[in-house]
Amino acid sequence: DAGITQSPRHKVTETGTPVTLRCHQTENHRYMYWYRQDPGHGLRLIHYSYGVKDTDKGEVSDGYSVSRSKTEDFLLTLESATSSQTSVYFCAISDTGQGRVWYTFGSGTRLTVV
Amino acid sequence: QQQVKQSPQSLIVQKGGISIINCAYENTAFDYFPWYQQFPGKGPALLIAIRPDVSEKKEGRFTISFNKSAKQFSLHIMDSQPGDSATYFCAAVKNTGNQFYFGTGTSLTVIP
Repeated sequence: DAGITQSPRHKVTETGTPVTLRCHQTENHRYMYWYRQDPGHGLRLIHYSYGVKDTDKGEVSDGYSVSRSKTEDFLLTLESATSSQTSVYFCAISDTGQGRVWYTFGSGTRLTVV
Repeated sequence: QQQVKQSPQSLIVQKGGISIINCAYENTAFDYFPWYQQFPGKGPALLIAIRPDVSEKKEGRFTISFNKSAKQFSLHIMDSQPGDSATYFCAAVKNTGNQFYFGTGTSLTVIP
């Protein structure tokens, strides 16, 4: 997946606990993104980053925070996990070329909150 | 407001048939329109993309048809194969600010 690694791949956690998902890239891309994928909703943007320590909210940011202390790592934290946050989470980077921007996605993290 | 609307949500096609997935967009300021293909347990991957100044783009069995006046575009998969069974997402992209707007996805099943 073009140098993008997500960890863990699967996680089961209890309601109310904090959870951190990690996205690691090896290609020095400036932009990184966190999406969640749910049936009937497709891909929804949670947060994104446009550089070290530069982040912004997406359309479904409530209950999530992010940090980017190094170019290669983008962390997503569920501050107090709820069952509604059971989902598959994808990290993505964006790249440019031939006059356009495109995304490359990681393989995803399947999170279950019980 | 959802910028990109995709239909159908699911699609079942016989092997050898044509699969058609449709998308409509709201804003006219998009720079290009990609389609992503996602297999179970994997992240979406870029399949094919089209610029708004082109009416059709073909790559192998996959074709995008683009109707600028109607603000609609569609993915046609000719001679559909069981290996094409996947979820397909359309998107509309503004290069400025790296803004991506995804459709809600179509689950395609090709029956042998």
